[in-house]
Amino acid sequence: VQLVESGGGLVQPGKSLKLSCSASGFTFSSYGMHWIRQAPGKGLDWVAYISSSSGTVYADAVKGRFTISRDNAKNTLYLQLNSLKSEDTAIYYCARSFRRVSLDYWGQGVMVTVSS
Amino acid sequence: DIQMTQSPASLSASLEEIVTITCQASQDIGNWLSWYQQKPGKSPQLLIYGATSLADGVPSRFSGSRSGTQYSLKISRLQVEDIGIYYCLQAYSAPNTFGAGTKLELK
Repeated sequence: VQLVESGGGLVQPGKSLKLSCSASGFTFSSYGMHWIRQAPGKGLDWVAYISSSSGTVYADAVKGRFTISRDNAKNTLYLQLNSLKSEDTAIYYCARSFRRVSLDYWGQGVMVTVSS
Repeated sequence: DIQMTQSPASLSASLEEIVTITCQASQDIGNWLSWYQQKPGKSPQLLIYGATSLADGVPSRFSGSRSGTQYSLKISRLQVEDIGIYYCLQAYSAPNTFGAGTKLELK
């Protein structure tokens, strides 16, 4: 199992960014997937979840601004980040859902910095 | 939203010592609780799922338990490689929520 995030970078407040998570080594379409973030020096912060059937849920802090999606043909998970704020600055991890109760594989993370 | 109150925030222990970290859920979450270890500069790794089940490849000195809405992670004999930050996560209901973390250091 391998998860590789990409698409991070420096972006101005109010702008948008799209993160990708490329999955391999398992049947991607059969698993729910999560995005989790970690601000510099802070703890883990759950962001969003998409089920294998593409049902979605979000943290209150990102609801209406972020969109999680998936392309099973490309084995890729996405996170569209809109109306970015400085407090969205963090490492963003994608992770695989295991039996819906846990996250058994994590990517290496991608840094998003929101600053003018 | 369900709150997960994790304690202690930091812990200093000696090699071979028994270490216990707890998470208190603000409401019943059944066994929808997992534990993670994060080492500096690394991604978190799953240790325990379903409150008490050991994840594949995790040493048997790690164990999880539940008493009502209180969940515990126990390290039976602390090793150098166990140093890091530990988090609990509830997946009973959305939004999923992590505990604030416990920083485990060597005394």
